[in-house]
Amino acid sequence: ETGVTQSPTHLIKTRGQQVTLRCSSQSGHNTVSWYQQALGQGPQFIFQYYREEENGRGNFPPRFSGLQFPNYSSELNVNALELDDSALYLCASSLGGRRQGVYEQYFGPGTRLTVT
Amino acid sequence: AQRVTQPEKLLSVFKGAPVELKCNYSYSGSPELFWYVQYSRQRLQLLLRHISRESIKGFTADLNKGETSFHLKKPFAQEEDSAMYYCALNTGNQFYFGTGTSLTVIP
Repeated sequence: ETGVTQSPTHLIKTRGQQVTLRCSSQSGHNTVSWYQQALGQGPQFIFQYYREEENGRGNFPPRFSGLQFPNYSSELNVNALELDDSALYLCASSLGGRRQGVYEQYFGPGTRLTVT
Repeated sequence: AQRVTQPEKLLSVFKGAPVELKCNYSYSGSPELFWYVQYSRQRLQLLLRHISRESIKGFTADLNKGETSFHLKKPFAQEEDSAMYYCALNTGNQFYFGTGTSLTVIP
């Protein structure tokens, strides 16, 4: 059984650019959640995908978008990057139904994004 | 509005002493609450959830709806308990984490 993996580990982008972060779910998991964690803060929920459909969204603007693929891996896309987007982005997978959070979430190591 | 509040950013206790990490939440519906832990250089992982009412690594947490609290407790702290602890709330379509409490257990 493989754990949750994320790529890349680190990324440096310029303000205004676009970025794509990737997440591979733990084997057998059908639900993926994405979080943004700024320095000194707790993770903030961006959105969740269940069986390729968005299943809940936090207070993030539309320039944060996502995809989930048939193999349940996922991407987080951020357009028009701003300096405040600099953070650790965490992906978590779970075996869930429509109701998120009931099942244990397994977190990846995160992608550190720096926007200059 | 802050949904989950962890008032202590840092907490230090001596080994063998009791420890309590505070968590208060704001939610009018029926809450689902969790404690997550992150040990040094490790990933965030689930410690316990209120719905299962279990004790993990000697930690327990009781949901108090009247006080809207879900404090994490352990009667005798161990050095290996030193970590970052996050309280989290699931409202059904969103997941909220607190800002975390860094616990240091002094030998």
